Amino acid sequence: DAGVIQSPRHEVTEMGQEVTLRCKPISGHDYLFWYRQTMMRGLELLIYFNNNVPIDDSGMPEDRFSAKMPNASFSTLKIQPSEPRDSAVYFCASSPSPGLGLTDTQYFGPGTRLTVL
Amino acid sequence: DQQVKQNSPSLSVQEGRISILNCDYTNSMFDYFLWYKKYPAEGPTFLISISSIKDKNEDGRFTVFLNKSAKHLSLHIVPSQPGDSAVYFCAASAKNFNKFYFGSGTKLNVKP
Repeated sequence: DAGVIQSPRHEVTEMGQEVTLRCKPISGHDYLFWYRQTMMRGLELLIYFNNNVPIDDSGMPEDRFSAKMPNASFSTLKIQPSEPRDSAVYFCASSPSPGLGLTDTQYFGPGTRLTVL
Repeated sequence: DQQVKQNSPSLSVQEGRISILNCDYTNSMFDYFLWYKKYPAEGPTFLISISSIKDKNEDGRFTVFLNKSAKHLSLHIVPSQPGDSAVYFCAASAKNFNKFYFGSGTKLNVKP
């Protein structure tokens, strides 16, 4: 398997523009997670899905952020309008289960580095 | 409020010596802990885990120690190698949480 695929790898945009980040999880994984990494806060969980259904979006910072999972092989994280403080690396991860067992875990994509000018 | 804290943003160690990375947590309900390793321009990858029924778990050069009373865990790397240079994240969860809480990471630099 190719692993978790994220696109784009880098995104530079201007304040106020809409940004869409994309993720293709590992086939067969039921859970999908969106994280944001910043220097100050490390890795923050934004939202996660189970079987394409959003389960917990308590980490989504504002209404400007939205996430969808229209099918088992695709998810998007959208920021509209974007602001400079949204600049961060955004990771998508997938897991066959929540990753709470001793043998399973979350598999992360390479991330999208977002810069909002 | 961060429930998982890594208070050392960076650590520098000589090759062959021991690296000790520390992690503290505040939620006594956490019963499962992991360490992830992250190289630049890559996503984090799973390194080692421990459940609260144990106080130690070893995997080759990597050992994780858990002190539940102190709400503290540590990752020991012996001997350290230059290829271990990366950012290390600790994460914690509980069975009914269905999600992990990550620390802010510690950047390890192993000097040849």
